[in-house]
Amino acid sequence: GIQVEQSPPDLILQEGANSTLRCNFSDSVNNLQWFHQNPWGQLINLFYIPSGTKQNGRLSATTVATERYSLLYISSSQTTDSGVYFCAVFRGQNFVFGPGTRLSVLP
Amino acid sequence: ETGVTQSPTHLIKTRGQQVTLRCSSQSGHNTVSWYQQALGQGPQFIFQYYREEENGRGNFPPRFSGLQFPNYSSELNVNALELDDSALYLCASSLVGGELFFGEGSRLTVL
Repeated sequence: GIQVEQSPPDLILQEGANSTLRCNFSDSVNNLQWFHQNPWGQLINLFYIPSGTKQNGRLSATTVATERYSLLYISSSQTTDSGVYFCAVFRGQNFVFGPGTRLSVLP
Repeated sequence: ETGVTQSPTHLIKTRGQQVTLRCSSQSGHNTVSWYQQALGQGPQFIFQYYREEENGRGNFPPRFSGLQFPNYSSELNVNALELDDSALYLCASSLVGGELFFGEGSRLTVL
């Protein structure tokens, strides 16, 4: 089956810093989503981005489907950005999740 | 607020028991997917239901079973619980192949 990798696995930032999270996948995909998992476990939708670039406030995402990767940019990070970020790719019948990037933003 | 609700939010069972988890999907969605998330890992696909039929299954044994009802709500049943079944169980609703919207999850502890 398709393999999804995320890097870095852990990231510690000072409030106000910028960061880039990466998602690589091993085969072509039909769709891709980025999620933020909050401390209570809920997965919050960030982007639904099979290709191209989207922006939402301080967050933006770019997917280059032909090169099998997606990037999530977080600018001017805030403590509320802390949590685990997952990418998930859709191929066949279901989404496959990566292992996540754990982000800690320090005040 | 995704419009996807799950119940119960937390539950404790003992090994060998059976559990039923419930999920109501977002209005307008016809597909429900269930995922298991062990501590420190990404969600793993269990199965998916579309029009009351299972139309995709991950690498989970038959003691994991489900149902989808005419109103598109769904149940996940797990028989003969094992300690390793302790996890967060996440339900997502969508249109077929479309964007997933998750509920808050049901956290199961098996003692």
